[in-house]
Amino acid sequence: GIQVEQSPPDLILQEGANSTLRCNFSDSVNNLQWFHQNPWGQLINLFYIPSGTKQNGRLSATTVATERYSLLYISSSQTTDSGVYFCAVQPKYGNKLVFGAGTILRVKS
Amino acid sequence: NAGVTQTPKFQVLKTGQSMTLQCAQDMNHEYMSWYRQDPGMGLRLIHYSVGAGITDQGEVPNGYNVSRSTTEDFPLRLLSAAPSQTSVYFCASSYSYEGGPKDTQYFGPGTRLTVL
Repeated sequence: GIQVEQSPPDLILQEGANSTLRCNFSDSVNNLQWFHQNPWGQLINLFYIPSGTKQNGRLSATTVATERYSLLYISSSQTTDSGVYFCAVQPKYGNKLVFGAGTILRVKS
Repeated sequence: NAGVTQTPKFQVLKTGQSMTLQCAQDMNHEYMSWYRQDPGMGLRLIHYSVGAGITDQGEVPNGYNVSRSTTEDFPLRLLSAAPSQTSVYFCASSYSYEGGPKDTQYFGPGTRLTVL
């Protein structure tokens, strides 16, 4: 099956710093989503981005489908950005969403 | 809209007991799924459904049963609970396209299950 690798596994930032999270996948996809899980366990969809670039406030994401990776950018980080960021993909010839192991982000004030 | 709701929020079971985790959505989504989340392992798909009367297995289906009699509800049954099923369970829903999830997945708040 498709492999999804996220890096780095852990990241500690000072408030105000920028960061880039990466998601590599091993096969063609027709669905890619980024999620944020807050410290209370709630999962929130950040982006649906099987290709191209999207921006939402301080967050933006880029997926280069031909090279099988996606990047999530967080600018001017805030303590409320802390949590786990997951990438999830649906293979082009599959009907299931497969999650990566996540990146744990800690933003310190 | 209430979105995706799950009950109960917390549950403690003894080994061998059975129970049903409830999931409901009010967005008329065709695609519904159940995941379990264990420390350091991300989310793993248990079962999914692309519409009423249609279900299929995910990555880790053993020990779990599902049915989908309505568009809104997708309950997950633990047949005989084992300590290995201690986990946090999430239900999710979305529109469907060609038998898979389309666009954004919406998650419920989760059920934290402990099996003693």
